[in-house]
Amino acid sequence: AQTVTQSQPEMSVQEAETVTLSCTYDTSESDYYLFWYKQPPSRQMILVIRQEAYKQQNATENRFSVNFQKAAKSFSLKISDSQLGDAAMYFCAYRSASGLGGATNKLIFGTGTLLAVQP
Amino acid sequence: NAGVTQTPKFRILKIGQSMTLQCAQDMNHNYMYWYRQDPGMGLKLIYYSVGAGITDKGEVPNGYNVSRSTTEDFPLRLELAAPSQTSVYFCASSHIPREQYFGPGTRLTVT
Repeated sequence: AQTVTQSQPEMSVQEAETVTLSCTYDTSESDYYLFWYKQPPSRQMILVIRQEAYKQQNATENRFSVNFQKAAKSFSLKISDSQLGDAAMYFCAYRSASGLGGATNKLIFGTGTLLAVQP
Repeated sequence: NAGVTQTPKFRILKIGQSMTLQCAQDMNHNYMYWYRQDPGMGLKLIYYSVGAGITDKGEVPNGYNVSRSTTEDFPLRLELAAPSQTSVYFCASSHIPREQYFGPGTRLTVT
Protein backbone atom coordinates (compact mmCIF):
# COMPACT_ATOMS: atom_id res chain seq x y z
CA ALA A 1 0.00 0.00 0.00
CA GLN A 2 1.09 3.52 -0.68
CA THR A 3 2.08 5.82 2.16
CA VAL A 4 2.92 9.50 2.40
CA THR A 5 5.17 10.89 5.11
CA GLN A 6 5.62 14.50 6.17
CA SER A 7 8.32 14.58 8.82
CA GLN A 8 7.98 18.27 9.74
CA PRO A 9 4.91 18.82 11.93
CA GLU A 10 5.60 22.58 12.09
CA MET A 11 7.72 25.08 10.20
CA SER A 12 8.22 28.81 10.49
CA VAL A 13 9.44 31.35 7.95
CA GLN A 14 9.97 35.10 7.91
CA GLU A 15 7.85 37.11 5.53
CA ALA A 16 9.56 37.47 2.11
CA GLU A 17 11.88 34.54 2.83
CA THR A 18 11.88 31.08 1.24
CA VAL A 19 10.81 27.87 2.93
CA THR A 20 10.86 24.24 1.84
CA LEU A 21 8.39 21.64 3.10
CA SER A 22 9.40 17.99 2.85
CA CYS A 23 7.40 15.00 1.71
CA THR A 24 8.40 11.42 1.01
CA TYR A 25 6.21 8.62 -0.24
CA ASP A 26 6.34 4.92 -0.78
CA THR A 27 4.85 3.14 -3.77
CA SER A 28 5.58 0.30 -6.14
CA GLU A 29 3.74 2.02 -8.97
CA SER A 30 5.47 3.87 -11.77
CA ASP A 31 2.60 6.10 -12.81
CA TYR A 32 1.01 8.41 -10.26
CA TYR A 33 0.31 11.99 -9.32
CA LEU A 34 1.54 14.03 -6.40
CA PHE A 35 -0.14 17.09 -4.97
CA TRP A 36 0.34 19.77 -2.39
CA TYR A 37 -2.85 21.04 -0.78
CA LYS A 38 -3.11 24.08 1.48
CA GLN A 39 -5.60 24.18 4.34
CA PRO A 40 -5.93 27.62 5.95
CA PRO A 41 -7.86 28.18 9.18
CA SER A 42 -11.06 28.28 7.12
CA ARG A 43 -10.47 24.51 6.61
CA GLN A 44 -10.97 24.76 2.85
CA MET A 45 -8.65 22.36 1.02
CA ILE A 46 -6.98 24.33 -1.76
CA LEU A 47 -4.87 22.72 -4.44
CA VAL A 48 -1.47 24.40 -4.60
CA ILE A 49 0.42 22.37 -7.17
CA ARG A 50 0.34 19.05 -9.03
CA GLN A 51 3.11 16.87 -10.40
CA GLU A 52 2.75 13.96 -12.82
CA ALA A 53 5.26 11.20 -12.12
CA TYR A 54 6.05 10.71 -15.80
CA LYS A 55 7.19 14.31 -16.15
CA GLN A 56 10.80 15.01 -15.29
CA GLN A 57 10.26 18.74 -15.20
CA ASN A 58 9.38 20.11 -11.79
CA ALA A 59 5.99 21.83 -11.57
CA THR A 60 5.79 25.53 -10.73
CA GLU A 61 2.88 27.81 -9.92
CA ASN A 62 3.93 31.40 -9.35
CA ARG A 63 5.78 31.45 -5.99
CA PHE A 64 5.31 27.71 -5.46
CA SER A 65 7.57 25.08 -6.95
CA VAL A 66 8.40 21.48 -6.26
CA ASN A 67 11.52 19.38 -6.23
CA PHE A 68 10.41 15.98 -7.48
CA GLN A 69 12.97 13.22 -7.07
CA LYS A 70 11.30 10.07 -8.39
CA ALA A 71 14.10 7.65 -7.57
CA ALA A 72 14.33 8.96 -4.03
CA LYS A 73 10.51 9.16 -3.76
CA SER A 74 10.75 12.69 -2.53
CA PHE A 75 8.42 15.60 -3.31
CA SER A 76 9.25 18.85 -1.54
CA LEU A 77 7.42 22.16 -1.85
CA LYS A 78 9.31 25.43 -2.03
CA ILE A 79 7.50 28.66 -1.24
CA SER A 80 9.38 31.76 -2.35
CA ASP A 81 8.78 35.30 -1.12
CA SER A 82 6.56 33.99 1.68
CA GLN A 83 3.47 36.03 2.48
CA LEU A 84 1.31 36.20 5.58
CA GLY A 85 -1.48 34.55 3.61
CA ASP A 86 0.68 31.48 3.10
CA ALA A 87 0.25 30.55 6.77
CA ALA A 88 -1.69 27.29 6.76
CA MET A 89 -1.49 23.54 7.11
CA TYR A 90 0.09 21.98 4.03
CA PHE A 91 -0.69 18.43 3.01
CA CYS A 92 1.22 16.30 0.58
CA ALA A 93 -0.95 13.77 -1.25
CA TYR A 94 -0.49 10.83 -3.61
CA ARG A 95 -2.86 9.44 -6.17
CA SER A 96 -2.45 6.41 -8.37
CA ALA A 97 -2.80 7.00 -12.09
CA SER A 98 -3.90 3.44 -12.77
CA GLY A 99 -7.45 2.13 -12.71
CA LEU A 100 -10.69 3.68 -13.88
CA GLY A 101 -11.37 5.76 -10.84
CA GLY A 102 -12.90 5.22 -7.45
CA ALA A 103 -10.82 3.93 -4.58
CA THR A 104 -7.78 3.42 -6.79
CA ASN A 105 -7.84 7.13 -7.43
CA LYS A 106 -8.35 8.17 -3.85
CA LEU A 107 -5.95 10.69 -2.44
CA ILE A 108 -3.55 9.38 0.18
CA PHE A 109 -2.54 12.17 2.51
CA GLY A 110 0.39 12.84 4.78
CA THR A 111 -0.22 14.16 8.27
CA GLY A 112 0.52 17.74 7.29
CA THR A 113 2.99 20.52 8.07
CA LEU A 114 1.75 23.62 9.86
CA LEU A 115 3.48 26.66 8.37
CA ALA A 116 3.69 29.89 10.33
CA VAL A 117 4.77 33.11 8.60
CA GLN A 118 6.38 35.71 10.85
CA PRO A 119 5.97 39.38 9.90
CA ASN B 1 -19.52 27.97 -10.95
CA ALA B 2 -20.07 27.40 -7.24
CA GLY B 3 -17.73 24.38 -7.34
CA VAL B 4 -18.34 21.91 -4.51
CA THR B 5 -20.79 23.01 -1.84
CA GLN B 6 -21.50 21.34 1.50
CA THR B 7 -24.20 21.86 4.09
CA PRO B 8 -24.33 22.31 7.00
CA LYS B 9 -21.04 23.96 8.01
CA PHE B 10 -21.38 22.90 11.64
CA ARG B 11 -23.53 20.39 13.48
CA ILE B 12 -23.75 18.95 16.95
CA LEU B 13 -25.43 15.57 17.31
CA LYS B 14 -26.32 13.51 20.32
CA ILE B 15 -25.21 9.89 20.45
CA GLY B 16 -27.63 7.72 18.52
CA GLN B 17 -29.05 10.50 16.36
CA SER B 18 -28.93 10.40 12.57
CA MET B 19 -28.23 13.05 10.00
CA THR B 20 -27.38 13.61 6.36
CA LEU B 21 -24.46 15.72 5.17
CA GLN B 22 -25.23 17.29 1.83
CA CYS B 23 -22.76 17.69 -1.02
CA ALA B 24 -23.34 19.12 -4.47
CA GLN B 25 -21.09 20.03 -7.40
CA ASP B 26 -21.84 21.95 -10.58
CA MET B 27 -18.79 20.96 -12.60
CA ASN B 28 -20.36 17.87 -14.18
CA HIS B 29 -17.75 15.65 -12.54
CA ASN B 30 -18.45 11.95 -12.58
CA TYR B 31 -16.32 11.13 -9.57
CA MET B 32 -17.25 12.20 -6.08
CA TYR B 33 -15.67 11.37 -2.74
CA TRP B 34 -16.34 11.71 0.98
CA TYR B 35 -13.38 12.09 3.33
CA ARG B 36 -13.08 12.62 7.05
CA GLN B 37 -10.30 14.51 8.74
CA ASP B 38 -9.54 13.76 12.36
CA PRO B 39 -7.51 16.25 14.45
CA GLY B 40 -3.86 16.44 13.40
CA MET B 41 -4.35 13.98 10.58
CA GLY B 42 -4.74 13.93 6.85
CA LEU B 43 -7.98 12.94 5.15
CA LYS B 44 -9.25 9.38 4.93
CA LEU B 45 -11.70 8.14 2.29
CA ILE B 46 -15.14 7.06 3.54
CA TYR B 47 -17.09 6.40 0.33
CA TYR B 48 -16.79 7.27 -3.30
CA SER B 49 -18.90 7.28 -6.45
CA VAL B 50 -17.85 6.93 -10.08
CA GLY B 51 -21.18 8.09 -11.44
CA ALA B 52 -24.91 8.32 -10.75
CA GLY B 53 -26.16 5.08 -9.25
CA ILE B 54 -22.67 3.71 -8.52
CA THR B 55 -21.08 3.91 -5.09
CA ASP B 56 -18.49 1.92 -3.17
CA LYS B 57 -16.69 1.82 0.15
CA GLY B 58 -13.42 3.53 0.93
CA GLU B 59 -11.06 3.00 3.85
CA VAL B 60 -13.39 3.89 6.74
CA PRO B 61 -17.03 3.23 5.69
CA ASN B 62 -18.44 1.80 8.93
CA GLY B 63 -21.31 3.85 10.34
CA TYR B 64 -21.99 5.69 7.07
CA ASN B 65 -24.08 5.28 3.97
CA VAL B 66 -24.22 7.14 0.68
CA SER B 67 -26.41 7.42 -2.38
CA ARG B 68 -25.88 9.00 -5.78
CA SER B 69 -29.14 9.51 -7.64
CA THR B 70 -27.84 12.41 -9.75
CA THR B 71 -24.45 13.51 -11.10
CA GLU B 72 -24.60 16.66 -8.97
CA ASP B 73 -25.46 15.34 -5.51
CA PHE B 74 -23.69 12.91 -3.19
CA PRO B 75 -25.18 12.91 0.33
CA LEU B 76 -23.53 11.13 3.25
CA ARG B 77 -25.80 9.56 5.84
CA LEU B 78 -24.76 8.95 9.44
CA GLU B 79 -26.89 6.40 11.24
CA LEU B 80 -26.71 6.08 15.03
CA ALA B 81 -24.05 8.73 15.55
CA ALA B 82 -21.14 7.82 17.83
CA PRO B 83 -18.44 10.00 19.44
CA SER B 84 -15.88 8.36 17.14
CA GLN B 85 -17.60 10.11 14.24
CA THR B 86 -16.65 13.53 15.58
CA SER B 87 -14.59 14.89 12.72
CA VAL B 88 -14.49 17.32 9.83
CA TYR B 89 -16.07 15.89 6.69
CA PHE B 90 -15.00 16.90 3.22
CA CYS B 91 -16.70 16.17 -0.05
CA ALA B 92 -14.63 16.27 -3.25
CA SER B 93 -15.21 15.77 -6.95
CA SER B 94 -13.01 15.17 -9.95
CA HIS B 95 -12.91 14.48 -13.63
CA ILE B 96 -10.36 11.71 -13.94
CA PRO B 97 -7.43 12.05 -14.26
CA ARG B 98 -7.62 15.57 -12.95
CA GLU B 99 -7.14 16.72 -9.40
CA GLN B 100 -9.93 16.60 -6.85
CA TYR B 101 -11.76 19.75 -5.86
CA PHE B 102 -12.91 20.00 -2.27
CA GLY B 103 -15.90 21.55 -0.58
CA PRO B 104 -15.50 23.78 2.50
CA GLY B 105 -16.11 20.95 4.97
CA THR B 106 -18.64 20.16 7.69
CA ARG B 107 -17.51 20.13 11.32
CA LEU B 108 -19.49 17.48 13.18
CA THR B 109 -19.42 16.94 16.93
CA VAL B 110 -21.14 13.94 18.52
CA THR B 111 -21.71 14.19 22.28
